[in-house]
Amino acid sequence: TQLLEQSPQFLSIQEGENLTVYCNSSSVFSSLQWYRQEPGEGPVLLVTVVTGGEVKKLKRLTFQFGDARKDSSLHITAAQPGDTGLYLCAGDSNYQLIWGAGTKLIIKP
Amino acid sequence: KAGVTQTPRYLIKTRGQQVTLSCSPISGHRSVSWYQQTPGQGLQFLFEYFSETQRNKGNFPGRFSGRQFSNSRSEMNVSTLELGDSALYLCASSLASTSGYTFGSGTRLTVV
Repeated sequence: TQLLEQSPQFLSIQEGENLTVYCNSSSVFSSLQWYRQEPGEGPVLLVTVVTGGEVKKLKRLTFQFGDARKDSSLHITAAQPGDTGLYLCAGDSNYQLIWGAGTKLIIKP
Repeated sequence: KAGVTQTPRYLIKTRGQQVTLSCSPISGHRSVSWYQQTPGQGLQFLFEYFSETQRNKGNFPGRFSGRQFSNSRSEMNVSTLELGDSALYLCASSLASTSGYTFGSGTRLTVV
């Protein structure tokens, strides 16, 4: 059974601070995808990383795929209240996404 | 361009009934997947279709079934509803799995 362990599950920090969310697995994935989900809505794709060691930047968000393609991280620099939400990582394997439990992020002004 | 459309948005059913949910993917996307999201179990994969063929199925009982039509639209059906089937059901479409998925807003199913 493939599992993705996402940590932390909950994070509450002040505006301007930096944070990192981790996603770890013992399985290799074709890609690792990060989504953000608002209450009552479907997840929205932030980024897909495919190559081991790949780093992608989306404004203040930096995504990294581990060399062995088993883990990934999301780093947010100078967090803002608009970053508040549920962040989900998902591993792509055999036409399905294996999901982490999610990180509920609250940025306090 | 239009996103993934799921209907209905909300649904209340009684135990023992059956329900059909509909999904219209982004134009040109031939892969359609379904997921169940609950507070306790998080997001769980139900099934994936590509060109009317089911390529993968998650670990759900046979009461959960789906199909895809030639225009890529998809439906999922749940028969003999149980209270535990109450969840947000999400449909997603993609061009290729590694390029990521576009999700619909979901159907919120409540079984009473």
